Amino acid sequence: RKEVEQDPGPFNVPEGATVAFNCTYSNSASQSFFWYRQDCRKEPKLLMSVYSSGNEDGRFTAQLNRASQYISLLIRDSKLSDSATYLCVVNTGGGTSYGKLTFGQGTILTVHP
Amino acid sequence: GAVVSQHPSRVICKSGTSVKIECRSLDFQATTMFWYRQFPKQSLMLMATSNEGSKATYEQGVEKDKFLINHASLTLSTLTVTSAHPEDSSFYICSLPRPNTDTQYFGPGTRLTVL
Repeated sequence: RKEVEQDPGPFNVPEGATVAFNCTYSNSASQSFFWYRQDCRKEPKLLMSVYSSGNEDGRFTAQLNRASQYISLLIRDSKLSDSATYLCVVNTGGGTSYGKLTFGQGTILTVHP
Repeated sequence: GAVVSQHPSRVICKSGTSVKIECRSLDFQATTMFWYRQFPKQSLMLMATSNEGSKATYEQGVEKDKFLINHASLTLSTLTVTSAHPEDSSFYICSLPRPNTDTQYFGPGTRLTVL
């Protein structure tokens, strides 16, 4: 079983749609959780951290369920510029004092006019 | 602005040659940097943790003699892919810890193609 699993998609949605991505992780000792965005042939960029209480940043809402080891990302009112690969990332701790980031394979989103 | 730079951004080389990739921290000193590899349609995989002034720590399955890491200063880490082969063709990305968080800043990546 992969440490971080995501539905690879692709998700093809029209502008203005609401789309949700899911992610599960296997290491119950994982400490922190993130969603990153990666554009084609570019480096990943932090979209938002994910907290147990749930958090929102504009059109983006992230949720964490530690009991189920499940993370979600909801995008409302999709824009063409939201087209990218969304990476679920977990800091599993250990190793250095900074822990270790483990990436899901990513979910591809395409927003069309 | 950019926090991390990498050079070169793209390299094409013949099989058997060695390729050096540089990763620089632009805004602050970094005693630790990370090297990742990403194959097409796959996730980023941590290869090694680069430690300034000491040996790098390699992840399981990564050959330390093939992927040489040198972290000689607080702003520069280098990854040398020795005797590169076509299966080493990949997107190599470095990162450094984002202060006061559990996450990282990523460099723009280096796309290596070995013919």
